[in-house]
Amino acid sequence: AQSVSQHNHHVILSEAASLELGCNYSYGGTVNLFWYVQYPGQHLQLLLKYFSGDPLVKGIKGFEAEFIKSKFSFNLRKPSVQWSDTAEYFCAVNTGGFKTIFGAGTRLFVKA
Amino acid sequence: GAVVSQHPSWVICKSGTSVKIECRSLDFQATTMFWYRQFPKQSLMLMATSNEGSKATYEQGVEKDKFLINHASLTLSTLTVTSAHPEDSSFYICSARDGAGGAHGANVLTFGAGSRLTVL
Repeated sequence: AQSVSQHNHHVILSEAASLELGCNYSYGGTVNLFWYVQYPGQHLQLLLKYFSGDPLVKGIKGFEAEFIKSKFSFNLRKPSVQWSDTAEYFCAVNTGGFKTIFGAGTRLFVKA
Repeated sequence: GAVVSQHPSWVICKSGTSVKIECRSLDFQATTMFWYRQFPKQSLMLMATSNEGSKATYEQGVEKDKFLINHASLTLSTLTVTSAHPEDSSFYICSARDGAGGAHGANVLTFGAGSRLTVL
């Protein structure tokens, strides 16, 4: 069965630090990849997505993610985090059907 | 942009009663809606896929008779937790897929705010 693994459950960073959240999935075929974010008190929303083409995708608020097919990875990055980036981040995979599978989530806390 | 409204946001009920949660797509037609359950510090667990006008498809281990899903129109899906027990207490989240692709494209989900169910 398909699965999504997020490496860190909790991450604490100071403002201006760089961020990288790991995500690996298990599926050998074509995938659509997503990062969703849930800010405190808000509902899940799309941060960025990869369907095809350039494996480096840019999303909102300065986030980007790189799809490395050989590593089955889709890590999320941001060069300099802000306090407002404090949220929970979910990596998700769609394998072409209607089902989207989510990772366990990573809670990011940015210290001001 | 696409908006999904979920109601109620929080419900408390007595053990043995049934609770209905509604999920509405406000500005698009959701041919497919999904119901997730989220346990504390865990991921979203897909419970079922709801297709307008047909029976829902349940994930393995999810009791169909306990979690009744109805997708009566292109903008409304409901989840009814029947004969609720304390172990059903959880955070239930619906999401919808825009049948026309939407601004972000196919397979991008729009989420409701979630419903917290507490069964006493």
